[in-house]
Amino acid sequence: GENVEQHPSTLSVQEGDSAVIKCTYSDSASNYFPWYKQELGKGPQLIIDIRSNVGEKKDQRIAVTLNKTAKHFSLHITETQPEDSAVYFCAASRTSNTGKLIFGQGTTLQVKP
Amino acid sequence: GAVVSQHPSWVICKSGTSVKIECRSLDFQATTMFWYRQFPKQSLMLMATSNEGSKATYEQGVEKDKFLINHASLTLSTLTVTSAHPEDSSFYICSALLEEQYFGPGTRLTVT
Repeated sequence: GENVEQHPSTLSVQEGDSAVIKCTYSDSASNYFPWYKQELGKGPQLIIDIRSNVGEKKDQRIAVTLNKTAKHFSLHITETQPEDSAVYFCAASRTSNTGKLIFGQGTTLQVKP
Repeated sequence: GAVVSQHPSWVICKSGTSVKIECRSLDFQATTMFWYRQFPKQSLMLMATSNEGSKATYEQGVEKDKFLINHASLTLSTLTVTSAHPEDSSFYICSALLEEQYFGPGTRLTVT
């Protein structure tokens, strides 16, 4: 069935360093790939997304890359700050406007001051 | 804009009782809402897709008679956990679909 694998499960970096989280999906029909940040006791918040017709997208310190051939997509956070500490989830969907997101397992990011 | 609320934020109930969780889209109308379940330190698992005015579509393995979903208006979907048991204790999160999914803050359910 549809599956999204996410690595690493935990990531600890020093403030100012970069953090990279990687995901692999199985459904070749997937064409929408959002990333969510979830703080303790709260719902996920969309931080960036990418569609299959784009290879890379950047928003300030956050960037996402997509390799459709390899079915890989990655989240890159540069100049990390302590407030970036949270759990990050990748997800994949066949389309953004009909729903059904398949989530990765999550990555706990800790940014040490 | 695109704010989704959930009520209550947390609830404790006794085994065998039922509990209702509300999901509201505050500033937009949503024909489709989703209900997820999240165990501690785990990912979000889709339970069901709720469509306004029609029956919900449940994911495989989710008991429709235990998790009753009602989407009576374009801004409100409810999830009722019937005859709750301790294993139903979890974090329940809803989302509402506009051009993307907007998630609520979640409801922590503890069944004693």
